[in-house]
Amino acid sequence: DAGVIQSPRHEVTEMGQEVTLRCKPISGHDYLFWYRQTMMRGLELLIYFNNNVPIDDSGMPEDRFSAKMPNASFSTLKIQPSEPRDSAVYFCASSLGGDTQYFGPGTRLTVL
Amino acid sequence: GENVEQHPSTLSVQEGDSAVIKCTYSDSASNYFPWYKQELGKRPQLIIDIRSNVGEKKDQRIAVTLNKTAKHFSLHITETQPEDSAVYFCAASIGAAGNKLTFGGGTRVLVKP
Repeated sequence: DAGVIQSPRHEVTEMGQEVTLRCKPISGHDYLFWYRQTMMRGLELLIYFNNNVPIDDSGMPEDRFSAKMPNASFSTLKIQPSEPRDSAVYFCASSLGGDTQYFGPGTRLTVL
Repeated sequence: GENVEQHPSTLSVQEGDSAVIKCTYSDSASNYFPWYKQELGKRPQLIIDIRSNVGEKKDQRIAVTLNKTAKHFSLHITETQPEDSAVYFCAASIGAAGNKLTFGGGTRVLVKP
């Protein structure tokens, strides 16, 4: 299995621009998680899905952030408009039955 | 919600010595406690986990202990090697399985040759 796939691996954008991060979970996994990692705040859960349905989005920082999972093999995290404080590494993870979470390689986002 | 505290934030050990990282959690309903290792620039990877019906679990040089009464759990690495140098995260979750993990702040471990 290829594992969790994320794209792009690096993204540099200017403040105010829309950013879309993409994730393909491990085939057959029914849970998908989006995390944000920064030096100041550590590893934070933003939102997670079960069978493509958002279960808990309490970690989404504000309305500028949105996430979708249109099918079992694809999810997006969108930031619109982006701000410099959104600069972080964004990880996607998936699991089967909510068990062990497997992380993707991450997307390093820099907002100038 | 759940709160997980992790100590120490940094740990430097001599190669061959043991390393111990401790975590405490706030919600007594938590029942799944994984440990992740993250090397520089890489993704977090699960190294060991423990569930609330078990007090201790070992896997070669690593072991985890859980004290549900005191609400704390620890990671023990014996015979440390330079490749053990990384950031280690503990986490806790509530529920039948490991969904919605709350992570500790991480411990940066440096193993000096």
